[in-house]
Amino acid sequence: GNSVTQMEGPVTLSEEAFLTINCTYTATGYPSLFWYVQYPGEGLQLLLKATKADDKGSNKGFEATYRKETTSFHLEKGSVQVSDSAVYFCALSNSNSGYALNFGKGTSLLVTP
Amino acid sequence: ETGVTQTPRHLVMGMTNKKSLKCEQHLGHNAMYWYKQSAKKPLELMFVYSLEERVENNSVPSRFSPECPNSSHLFLHLHTLQPEDSALYLCASRDRGGGTEAFFGQGTRLTVV
Repeated sequence: GNSVTQMEGPVTLSEEAFLTINCTYTATGYPSLFWYVQYPGEGLQLLLKATKADDKGSNKGFEATYRKETTSFHLEKGSVQVSDSAVYFCALSNSNSGYALNFGKGTSLLVTP
Repeated sequence: ETGVTQTPRHLVMGMTNKKSLKCEQHLGHNAMYWYKQSAKKPLELMFVYSLEERVENNSVPSRFSPECPNSSHLFLHLHTLQPEDSALYLCASRDRGGGTEAFFGQGTRLTVV
């Protein structure tokens, strides 16, 4: 079956630091991959996605590249801001996931001034 | 605004009460979901509806009863809940398909007293 593994948090960074949140997956075929962000008290919002190998998703300064050879989709940002403090979820879907997305456990990020 | 609206945003109920959570989407999606998000736990998929038919029920206790009267509306009926059912309940919708993302509502924060 499908599964998504994210690095455990919380991650604490100073403003303007470089961010990496690791995500690896197990799936058959060619899944689509997603990063969602959840700000305090809110639902999940799509941050970026990639639907095939070597695709790079990007949004709001965040990037992630679909690496089929390493089954990874690591999230990166060159310079984080306090407003990036949130929980980040990696997710995948493919024909084997039925109707649903498979989510990782989430990684909490705290950016301090 | 994601196009998925949940009401109420906050709900406090006693263990003997009956209440309902409502979710509405006008995005033309053909699948809708209920997720439970508890503190310190992964996101849990509860129910999936596709074209108003329940297609997944992940061992959820019968005190949670979903209803999907049409493709735009999804309800979660609650009765005789337990304090451990206190959580954020998230509704999502999407077009079923490997490459499509889910759109989430802002959630209902439920407290059972």
